[in-house]
Amino acid sequence: SQKIEQNSEALNIQEGKTATLTCNYTNYSPAYLQWYRQDPGRGPVFLLLIRENEKEKRKERLKVTFDTTLKQSLFHITASQPADSATYLCALATSRGGNTPLVFGKGTRLSVIA
Amino acid sequence: EADIYQTPRYLVIGTGKKITLECSQTMGHDKMYWYQQDPGMELHLIHYSYGVNSTEKGDLSSESTVSRIRTEHFPLTLESARPSHTSQYLCASASPISTEAFFGQGTRLTVV
Repeated sequence: SQKIEQNSEALNIQEGKTATLTCNYTNYSPAYLQWYRQDPGRGPVFLLLIRENEKEKRKERLKVTFDTTLKQSLFHITASQPADSATYLCALATSRGGNTPLVFGKGTRLSVIA
Repeated sequence: EADIYQTPRYLVIGTGKKITLECSQTMGHDKMYWYQQDPGMELHLIHYSYGVNSTEKGDLSSESTVSRIRTEHFPLTLESARPSHTSQYLCASASPISTEAFFGQGTRLTVV
């Protein structure tokens, strides 16, 4: 069966450190993978997208890698801040034309401790 | 902030009632989606639409229905609410050329 797994339900790190979140998938051939941030009681907010032919993407303090051989994406937040505390979701789309809905993982709840 | 709105934000209703959750977007997006999310759990796709008069069921079996009469409006209706429908319902939209999904604030539904 198809599955998306995010490495842990919760991750606690010290302010200033790099947070690394993992997304593994099975029985998918995703055309691209996205990362979203979700705060309590709110809808997810898009952060980054990486395509199947890309190895790495960066945006400010965020970095995403995509390894289609390992079927894994890593999401990094460098110089983490308490304001980065939230749940981070990975999502897959299998269609290159964007015509299949996104499938989401359960998310990892990140807590950055001052 | 994305221009996608859901109403109501919170709703408590009795079993057996018919309810409609509203979702509107002002971005002219063709693609719209409804997801259901329980606390600490993943989003489950329940319905989606790729344009006016187009609707599809998602992976999660649901007793809900949707309609897409106008591009900007994608309401979700529960004909007879049950306690098992208690959850958060999230509406999202995306443009034809973009894969990024914009989400509304969600409706938290409690059926008593």
